[in-house]
Amino acid sequence: GQNIDQPTEMTATEGAIVQINCTYQTSGFNGLFWYQQHAGEAPTFLSYNVLDGLEEKGRFSSFLSRSKGYSYLLLKELQMKDSASYLCAVMDSNYQLIWGAGTKLIIKP
Amino acid sequence: KAGVTQTPRYLIKTRGQQVTLSCSPISGHRSVSWYQQTPGQGLQFLFEYFSETQRNKGNFPGRFSGRQFSNSRSEMNVSTLELGDSALYLCASSLSSVYSYNEQFFGPGTRLTVL
Repeated sequence: GQNIDQPTEMTATEGAIVQINCTYQTSGFNGLFWYQQHAGEAPTFLSYNVLDGLEEKGRFSSFLSRSKGYSYLLLKELQMKDSASYLCAVMDSNYQLIWGAGTKLIIKP
Repeated sequence: KAGVTQTPRYLIKTRGQQVTLSCSPISGHRSVSWYQQTPGQGLQFLFEYFSETQRNKGNFPGRFSGRQFSNSRSEMNVSTLELGDSALYLCASSLSSVYSYNEQFFGPGTRLTVL
């Protein structure tokens, strides 16, 4: 079966750095997405990785290793507004998005 | 540019009833995908429509159906509602089919409660 694993919840301190991991087992791979979802709101796109390596976008970076079936989202200089759920999704060989259950990130002052 | 809109935002139904949810994509977007989101389960893919045709389907029973109109607006229908159908139903639109990298833009969702 297809599976996306990410931690259920993480806690970090304002101003610090946090890494949210995502491991996947899917039938084929056509890219990995990270989305942010604030409570009660719609998910919003953060990043897309299809090749191995690190993609940096401001305070957020996303890393992919296809051989290990592994990705992480790195958030730097954490702000209170970064408190949200972070969703990892993989596009499989049928171009269907398989979603993880999401990681709830709690930022403490 | 208006975002993805979904109606209604909240809905309460009883077991056995049916429900129709509506989604209007961003202007120019031809692909609409539907997801079910429940706590701890994450987003579960229901189906994707592109140019009025269902292009992809998730593993949901036949009680879940959908359609897309010529203006790209989409509806999903759930018949014979069960308690387990209580969830947030999200609609996402993108410029073209998900058969390539296209950022999906999500609507605010419809919160369905089945009593």
